[in-house]
Amino acid sequence: GQQLNQSPQSMFIQEGEDVSMNCTSSSIFNTWLWYKQDPGEGPVLLIALYKAGELTSNGRLTAQFGITRKDSFLNISASIPSDVGIYFCAGPDRGSTLGRLYFGRGTQLTVWP
Amino acid sequence: GAGVSQSPSNKVTEKGKDVELRCDPISGHTALYWYRQSLGQGLEFLIYFQGNSAPDKSGLPSDRFSAERTGGSVSTLTIQRTQQEDSAVYLCASSLVQGVNQPQHFGDGTRLSIL
Repeated sequence: GQQLNQSPQSMFIQEGEDVSMNCTSSSIFNTWLWYKQDPGEGPVLLIALYKAGELTSNGRLTAQFGITRKDSFLNISASIPSDVGIYFCAGPDRGSTLGRLYFGRGTQLTVWP
Repeated sequence: GAGVSQSPSNKVTEKGKDVELRCDPISGHTALYWYRQSLGQGLEFLIYFQGNSAPDKSGLPSDRFSAERTGGSVSTLTIQRTQQEDSAVYLCASSLVQGVNQPQHFGDGTRLSIL
Protein backbone atom coordinates (compact mmCIF):
# COMPACT_ATOMS: atom_id res chain seq x y z
CA GLY A 1 0.00 0.00 0.00
CA GLN A 2 0.84 3.65 -0.01
CA GLN A 3 3.46 5.04 2.35
CA LEU A 4 2.58 8.40 3.91
CA ASN A 5 5.36 9.88 5.97
CA GLN A 6 4.43 12.54 8.48
CA SER A 7 6.78 14.79 10.36
CA PRO A 8 7.44 15.66 13.00
CA GLN A 9 6.20 12.68 14.99
CA SER A 10 5.47 14.91 17.98
CA MET A 11 5.60 18.58 18.90
CA PHE A 12 5.63 20.34 22.26
CA ILE A 13 4.87 24.04 21.96
CA GLN A 14 3.72 26.95 24.05
CA GLU A 15 0.28 28.50 23.67
CA GLY A 16 0.35 31.24 21.06
CA GLU A 17 3.09 29.70 18.92
CA ASP A 18 2.59 28.72 15.30
CA VAL A 19 2.84 25.08 14.24
CA SER A 20 3.86 23.49 10.98
CA MET A 21 3.71 19.84 10.00
CA ASN A 22 4.00 18.02 6.72
CA CYS A 23 3.27 14.81 4.92
CA THR A 24 4.95 13.16 1.95
CA SER A 25 3.87 10.21 -0.13
CA SER A 26 5.71 7.67 -2.24
CA SER A 27 3.45 8.34 -5.21
CA ILE A 28 1.16 10.98 -6.60
CA PHE A 29 -2.04 11.84 -4.76
CA ASN A 30 -5.04 13.58 -6.28
CA THR A 31 -6.54 14.48 -2.93
CA TRP A 32 -5.04 15.38 0.42
CA LEU A 33 -7.03 15.31 3.64
CA TRP A 34 -6.07 16.49 7.11
CA TYR A 35 -7.80 14.99 10.17
CA LYS A 36 -7.53 15.66 13.89
CA GLN A 37 -8.10 12.97 16.51
CA ASP A 38 -8.78 13.76 20.15
CA PRO A 39 -8.14 11.07 22.81
CA GLY A 40 -10.83 8.39 22.81
CA GLU A 41 -12.54 9.78 19.74
CA GLY A 42 -12.57 9.17 16.02
CA PRO A 43 -10.76 11.45 13.55
CA VAL A 44 -12.52 14.60 12.41
CA LEU A 45 -11.89 16.11 8.98
CA LEU A 46 -10.24 19.55 9.17
CA ILE A 47 -9.34 20.42 5.59
CA ALA A 48 -9.67 18.75 2.20
CA LEU A 49 -7.43 19.66 -0.78
CA TYR A 50 -8.29 18.62 -4.33
CA LYS A 51 -5.92 20.52 -6.62
CA ALA A 52 -2.13 20.78 -6.84
CA GLY A 53 -0.95 24.10 -5.47
CA GLU A 54 -4.23 24.69 -3.64
CA LEU A 55 -4.02 26.64 -0.39
CA THR A 56 -7.05 26.34 1.88
CA SER A 57 -7.81 27.84 5.28
CA ASN A 58 -10.18 26.83 8.05
CA GLY A 59 -9.96 29.40 10.83
CA ARG A 60 -6.43 29.28 12.25
CA LEU A 61 -5.59 26.26 10.11
CA THR A 62 -4.05 26.50 6.65
CA ALA A 63 -3.15 23.57 4.44
CA GLN A 64 -1.44 23.36 1.06
CA PHE A 65 -1.43 20.71 -1.66
CA GLY A 66 2.14 20.47 -2.93
CA ILE A 67 2.73 21.11 -6.63
CA THR A 68 4.52 17.78 -7.01
CA ARG A 69 1.33 16.09 -5.75
CA LYS A 70 3.50 14.10 -3.37
CA ASP A 71 3.33 16.35 -0.34
CA SER A 72 1.09 18.52 1.78
CA PHE A 73 1.55 20.93 4.67
CA LEU A 74 -0.63 21.93 7.60
CA ASN A 75 -0.04 25.09 9.59
CA ILE A 76 -1.76 26.16 12.78
CA SER A 77 -1.39 29.77 13.83
CA ALA A 78 -1.57 31.12 17.38
CA SER A 79 -2.04 27.71 18.97
CA ILE A 80 -4.42 27.25 21.91
CA PRO A 81 -4.73 24.38 24.42
CA SER A 82 -7.66 22.78 22.57
CA ASP A 83 -5.40 22.24 19.55
CA VAL A 84 -3.92 19.30 21.47
CA GLY A 85 -4.41 16.02 19.65
CA ILE A 86 -3.07 13.87 16.85
CA TYR A 87 -3.10 15.27 13.35
CA PHE A 88 -3.23 12.85 10.42
CA CYS A 89 -2.77 13.36 6.74
CA ALA A 90 -4.69 11.01 4.48
CA GLY A 91 -5.64 10.43 0.89
CA PRO A 92 -6.18 7.93 -1.87
CA ASP A 93 -3.63 7.49 -4.62
CA ARG A 94 -4.49 7.28 -8.28
CA GLY A 95 -4.70 3.54 -8.33
CA SER A 96 -6.74 2.98 -5.21
CA THR A 97 -10.44 2.52 -4.99
CA LEU A 98 -12.26 5.79 -4.55
CA GLY A 99 -13.03 6.37 -0.89
CA ARG A 100 -10.39 4.04 0.48
CA LEU A 101 -7.96 6.23 2.40
CA TYR A 102 -4.33 5.80 3.38
CA PHE A 103 -3.24 7.53 6.57
CA GLY A 104 0.06 8.81 7.88
CA ARG A 105 1.16 7.84 11.39
CA GLY A 106 0.21 11.21 12.78
CA THR A 107 1.79 14.18 14.51
CA GLN A 108 1.08 14.34 18.24
CA LEU A 109 0.69 17.99 19.27
CA THR A 110 1.00 19.14 22.87
CA VAL A 111 0.32 22.76 23.76
CA TRP A 112 1.51 24.16 27.09
CA PRO A 113 -0.50 27.05 28.55
CA GLY B 1 -28.41 9.22 16.10
CA ALA B 2 -26.56 12.23 14.81
CA GLY B 3 -23.22 10.51 14.33
CA VAL B 4 -21.65 7.13 13.65
CA SER B 5 -22.25 4.87 16.63
CA GLN B 6 -19.98 1.97 17.52
CA SER B 7 -20.37 -0.68 20.19
CA PRO B 8 -18.98 -1.82 22.45
CA SER B 9 -16.64 1.09 23.19
CA ASN B 10 -14.24 -1.31 24.90
CA LYS B 11 -13.82 -5.07 24.61
CA VAL B 12 -11.41 -7.28 26.51
CA THR B 13 -11.27 -10.94 25.57
CA GLU B 14 -9.02 -13.95 25.77
CA LYS B 15 -6.86 -15.10 22.92
CA GLY B 16 -8.69 -17.60 20.74
CA LYS B 17 -12.17 -16.19 21.33
CA ASP B 18 -14.34 -14.69 18.60
CA VAL B 19 -15.48 -11.06 18.82
CA GLU B 20 -18.13 -9.02 17.06
CA LEU B 21 -17.92 -5.27 16.67
CA ARG B 22 -20.91 -3.23 15.62
CA CYS B 23 -21.22 -0.03 13.60
CA ASP B 24 -24.37 2.02 13.12
CA PRO B 25 -23.71 4.60 10.37
CA ILE B 26 -25.29 7.99 9.95
CA SER B 27 -28.81 7.60 8.64
CA GLY B 28 -28.92 7.82 4.87
CA HIS B 29 -25.21 7.20 4.35
CA THR B 30 -24.69 4.54 1.71
CA ALA B 31 -20.94 4.01 2.12
CA LEU B 32 -19.46 2.40 5.23
CA TYR B 33 -15.79 1.81 6.03
CA TRP B 34 -13.83 -0.13 8.65
CA TYR B 35 -10.33 0.87 9.71
CA ARG B 36 -7.92 -0.43 12.32
CA GLN B 37 -5.65 1.79 14.39
CA SER B 38 -2.83 0.11 16.26
CA LEU B 39 -1.03 1.94 19.07
CA GLY B 40 0.99 4.85 17.70
CA GLN B 41 -0.01 4.11 14.14
CA GLY B 42 -2.19 5.69 11.53
CA LEU B 43 -5.44 4.15 10.38
CA GLU B 44 -5.26 1.00 8.29
CA PHE B 45 -8.09 0.34 5.84
CA LEU B 46 -9.89 -2.97 6.28
CA ILE B 47 -13.07 -3.08 4.20
CA TYR B 48 -15.78 -0.89 2.74
CA PHE B 49 -19.37 -1.29 1.64
CA GLN B 50 -21.18 0.82 -0.95
CA GLY B 51 -24.90 0.30 -1.28
CA ASN B 52 -25.70 -3.14 -2.63
CA SER B 53 -22.36 -3.58 -4.40
CA ALA B 54 -19.94 -6.31 -3.41
CA PRO B 55 -17.71 -5.02 -0.60
CA ASP B 56 -14.04 -4.24 -1.12
CA LYS B 57 -12.36 -6.67 1.28
CA SER B 58 -8.83 -6.05 0.06
CA GLY B 59 -7.65 -4.60 3.39
CA LEU B 60 -8.66 -7.52 5.62
CA PRO B 61 -5.42 -8.88 7.13
CA SER B 62 -6.43 -12.55 7.28
CA ASP B 63 -9.35 -14.91 6.75
CA ARG B 64 -10.11 -14.63 10.46
CA PHE B 65 -11.59 -11.22 9.70
CA SER B 66 -14.98 -10.81 8.08
CA ALA B 67 -17.67 -8.15 7.91
CA GLU B 68 -21.22 -7.87 6.78
CA ARG B 69 -23.70 -5.12 6.35
CA THR B 70 -27.33 -6.05 6.69
CA GLY B 71 -30.06 -4.06 5.04
CA GLY B 72 -27.60 -1.45 3.86
CA SER B 73 -27.29 0.01 7.34
CA VAL B 74 -25.71 -1.61 10.40
CA SER B 75 -22.41 -3.41 9.91
CA THR B 76 -20.69 -6.06 12.01
CA LEU B 77 -16.97 -6.79 11.93
CA THR B 78 -16.15 -10.28 13.19
CA ILE B 79 -12.73 -11.50 14.24
CA GLN B 80 -12.44 -15.25 14.78
CA ARG B 81 -9.85 -16.99 16.95
CA THR B 82 -8.43 -13.66 18.12
CA GLN B 83 -4.67 -13.19 18.44
CA GLN B 84 -2.77 -10.67 20.56
CA GLU B 85 -1.75 -8.73 17.47
CA ASP B 86 -5.46 -8.04 16.85
CA SER B 87 -5.41 -5.63 19.80
CA ALA B 88 -6.19 -2.20 18.38
CA VAL B 89 -8.90 0.42 18.04
CA TYR B 90 -11.37 -0.50 15.32
CA LEU B 91 -12.93 2.56 13.70
CA CYS B 92 -15.97 2.72 11.50
CA ALA B 93 -16.79 5.59 9.15
CA SER B 94 -19.64 6.40 6.83
CA SER B 95 -20.19 8.83 3.99
CA LEU B 96 -23.20 9.92 2.01
CA VAL B 97 -21.93 8.11 -1.08
CA GLN B 98 -18.62 6.52 -1.99
CA GLY B 99 -16.00 8.95 -3.21
CA VAL B 100 -13.14 11.08 -1.95
CA ASN B 101 -15.17 14.28 -2.28
CA GLN B 102 -17.57 12.85 0.26
CA PRO B 103 -16.14 13.32 3.76
CA GLN B 104 -15.94 10.20 5.89
CA HIS B 105 -17.47 10.67 9.33
CA PHE B 106 -15.88 8.48 11.98
CA GLY B 107 -17.28 6.86 15.09
CA ASP B 108 -15.32 6.85 18.33
CA GLY B 109 -14.14 3.29 17.79
CA THR B 110 -14.04 0.04 19.71
CA ARG B 111 -10.88 -0.50 21.73
CA LEU B 112 -10.13 -4.22 21.54
CA SER B 113 -7.69 -5.83 23.94
CA ILE B 114 -6.68 -9.48 23.55
CA LEU B 115 -5.22 -11.06 26.67
